[in-house]
Amino acid sequence: GAVVSQHPSRVICKSGTSVKIECRSLDFQATTMFWYRQFPKKSLMLMATSNEGSKATYEQGVEKDKFLINHASLTLSTLTVTSAHPEDSSFYICSASPPWTSGRRQYFGPGTRLTVT
Amino acid sequence: EDKVVQSPLSLVVHEGDTVTLNCSYEVTNFRSLLWYKQEKKAPTFLFMLTSSGIEKKSGRLSSILDKKELSSILNITATQTGDSAIYLCAVSNTGTASKLTFGTGTRLQVTL
Repeated sequence: GAVVSQHPSRVICKSGTSVKIECRSLDFQATTMFWYRQFPKKSLMLMATSNEGSKATYEQGVEKDKFLINHASLTLSTLTVTSAHPEDSSFYICSASPPWTSGRRQYFGPGTRLTVT
Repeated sequence: EDKVVQSPLSLVVHEGDTVTLNCSYEVTNFRSLLWYKQEKKAPTFLFMLTSSGIEKKSGRLSSILDKKELSSILNITATQTGDSAIYLCAVSNTGTASKLTFGTGTRLQVTL
């Protein structure tokens, strides 16, 4: 099966600092990766679609200057939360779809819990 | 805008009970409906449904899609405490590759 990893699994940062979260597809190449956000006891909300070699596509209401996405290689996408504030505290999850599923199935990373103090 | 609604929002049952979770959707150019189980971390895949009326089964879990009613159900028989989790329903359309729209989830708690 496909494996998607995320790093770090947990991060605590001070208000005003920036935090980078990495998402890697370990055994397949992914031209597209997805970033989700999940608040406690809520469902996953798609933030943006990360496209290798081009700009990310952001969902309505998501600030692209706040959540910077870079998909520099076929196995790595990064999400940088810039000038983090306590309201950015959340569980961030990435996913990717292996080519052998023809885009039909996403595999999720283990998630990153961000706490901004 | 695609929309997914799940019910009930939460459910508490006794071990051994059978539960049915519901998912209804509105999506332009439907491609597939997926069920995920989420415990403490990221969601784990359960089923992907594309054709109406064909039941998918895995152990005590089964699911079926009704394209006419724009809905799906997830059944869990002989529930165990390990089934306690949030069950998420998601749909994808043919427009953007792999993009999923998730429902609110059903929080299931199985007690002894």
